[in-house]
Amino acid sequence: RKEVEQDPGPFNVPEGATVAFNCTYSNSASQSFFWYRQDCRKEPKLLMSVYSSGNEDGRFTAQLNRASQYISLLIRDSKLSDSATYLCVVNPQAGTALIFGKGTTLSVSS
Amino acid sequence: NAGVTQTPKFRVLKTGQSMTLLCAQDMNHEYMYWYRQDPGMGLRLIHYSVGEGTTAKGEVPDGYNVSRLKKQNFLLGLESAAPSQTSVYFCASSARGHGYTFGSGTRLTVV
Repeated sequence: RKEVEQDPGPFNVPEGATVAFNCTYSNSASQSFFWYRQDCRKEPKLLMSVYSSGNEDGRFTAQLNRASQYISLLIRDSKLSDSATYLCVVNPQAGTALIFGKGTTLSVSS
Repeated sequence: NAGVTQTPKFRVLKTGQSMTLLCAQDMNHEYMYWYRQDPGMGLRLIHYSVGEGTTAKGEVPDGYNVSRLKKQNFLLGLESAAPSQTSVYFCASSARGHGYTFGSGTRLTVV
């Protein structure tokens, strides 16, 4: 099993749609979790951290299920500007490097 | 506030040539990292550093060397470039337990 797995997509949705991405991780002792966004030919940028209690930032909601070892990202009311690749990221233990999933591509169309 | 700066942004090398990629951060972060990103492969860790004077190997270290002589700088060296090292290289830095700040990348082509 790969350390961090994501469905590569692409997810093609119309503006205004709600879309959800899931990610699974293999190390049950993993410490912290993030979602990053990467635009074409640009660097990844932190979208949001993921907390056990779940957290929301505007149209974006992230959730963590430690028992099942998966992380989710929900995007409501999709905008054209949400088109990007979304990277699921896991920190397996403090003091080590983050592990990046290969990303899920989202394309929002008008 | 510059964040993480990578130089150069683009480079074309001939097979066998050497070069050094420079990463500089002004956020006083302890941790610094070098990744490469290839189509379909995602981000793969080359080397990382948890503090000045320390380095460690990542997932794909072969053919690369690194140095962290100053806290703010992390250098990635290619001693003898190969076409397989054609890639986009990203440097990142972080405080312990926090997410990364990435540089804008170096696009390297080895011919």
